[in-house]
Amino acid sequence: EAGVAQSPRYKIIEKRQSVAFWCNPISGHATLYWYQQILGQGPKLLIQFQNNGVVDDSQLPKDRFSAERLKGVDSTLKIQPAKLEDSAVYLCASSLDPAQLPSSYNEQFFGPGTRLTVL
Amino acid sequence: KNQVEQSPQSLIILEGKNCTLQCNYTVSPFSNLRWYKQDTGRGPVSLTIMTFSENTKSNGRYTATLDADTKQSSLHITASQLSDSASYICVVSGNNRLAFGKGNQVVVIP
Repeated sequence: EAGVAQSPRYKIIEKRQSVAFWCNPISGHATLYWYQQILGQGPKLLIQFQNNGVVDDSQLPKDRFSAERLKGVDSTLKIQPAKLEDSAVYLCASSLDPAQLPSSYNEQFFGPGTRLTVL
Repeated sequence: KNQVEQSPQSLIILEGKNCTLQCNYTVSPFSNLRWYKQDTGRGPVSLTIMTFSENTKSNGRYTATLDADTKQSSLHITASQLSDSASYICVVSGNNRLAFGKGNQVVVIP
């Protein structure tokens, strides 16, 4: 079974530039997550999609970050304009529809992440 | 204050030795607790999951314990190998939300 795919793996930009990340979840996974992981920290949830609808975006800095999941499959995360503090690894994860499994065992599968450096 | 605290932040161990990582949490209500292993440059991979009624779960040389009364969990690595060098992240689920710890950074040296 193919895992969660992300691209690009690395990106270096200057502050105030724009950047976009792409994620392709595991086939059949209805739920998709974007996380920000700053060096030495655990992942922080930015946004959660259930199919193509947003479930939780309470921690997404909406003045500069945006995300979409058209057709309920692939997703893109955009930062415009980037700041120095946005330097981090952006992880995408997916899981089955929680309604299909007991919530106690619903596992998130993570992609390799995109390492963003803002200069 | 973070709802999941892990200790030690980092440790270095000799190959073949055992080590124990700690996770304390305040998440309530509690649904489950997972330990993830995150290799450098990779996404986290689930090692174990425990619900309220489970107090121990093994996955090869990894053994996790859970004390839901004291809200503490540990991950024990037996006979460490160089490939165990990674960050180990404790993730607690409750109220349809996940709380992540900052991770325990483990370095295994020959």
